[in-house]
Amino acid sequence: AQSVTQLGSHVSVSEGALVLLRCNYSSSVPPYLFWYVQYPNQGLQLLLKYTSAATLVKGINGFEAEFKKSETSFHLTKPSAHMSDAAEYFCAVSDLNQAGTALIFGKGTTLSVSS
Amino acid sequence: ETGVTQSPTHLIKTRGQQVTLRCSSQSGHNTVSWYQQALGQGPQFIFQYYREEENGRGNFPPRFSGLQFPNYSSELNVNALELDDSALYLCASSPSEGRQETQYFGPGTRLLVL
Repeated sequence: AQSVTQLGSHVSVSEGALVLLRCNYSSSVPPYLFWYVQYPNQGLQLLLKYTSAATLVKGINGFEAEFKKSETSFHLTKPSAHMSDAAEYFCAVSDLNQAGTALIFGKGTTLSVSS
Repeated sequence: ETGVTQSPTHLIKTRGQQVTLRCSSQSGHNTVSWYQQALGQGPQFIFQYYREEENGRGNFPPRFSGLQFPNYSSELNVNALELDDSALYLCASSPSEGRQETQYFGPGTRLLVL
């Protein structure tokens, strides 16, 4: 069965520091992978997605993620954190046991940014 | 371009009641998915509608049902509410049902069951 594991339920960084949010997936075939961000009392917004093109994917707001098949990882990074990056981040994989666009989400990582 | 909208934003029900949540998909999108997000958890897939037909369902009981209308808006119905149904219910639309498609999420409906 497919699954997504996000290591670290809470990550704290200083403004200007590197952001690294970890995501490992389990899938029997090359997956489609997504990172979403959720601000308080809002829905989810797509940051970036991997659909088997380039392994380094650039997204919005300066975020990027690298697909590493050998490590079954899709970690999210940003070189310099901004206060506005404080939010909940979810990694997700396309559910191959379902038709259509169903996603399996990780439990999320809360990013805190201090000044 | 109008994004995905959901109504109501908040709802309080008592155990055993029934509830209907509504979702308007983004213009041009024919696929709608519903997710349940319990507090402190990631969203869980409930079901998906593609061109008015259910074409995928997660591990939720039959008391969770839905509809998609010709304009691709959608409803989620939950019968015989239980306390554990308290959650944020998210609707997402996409241009088609392909696995690589981006899902665009609405702000959600927060349901509290007492």
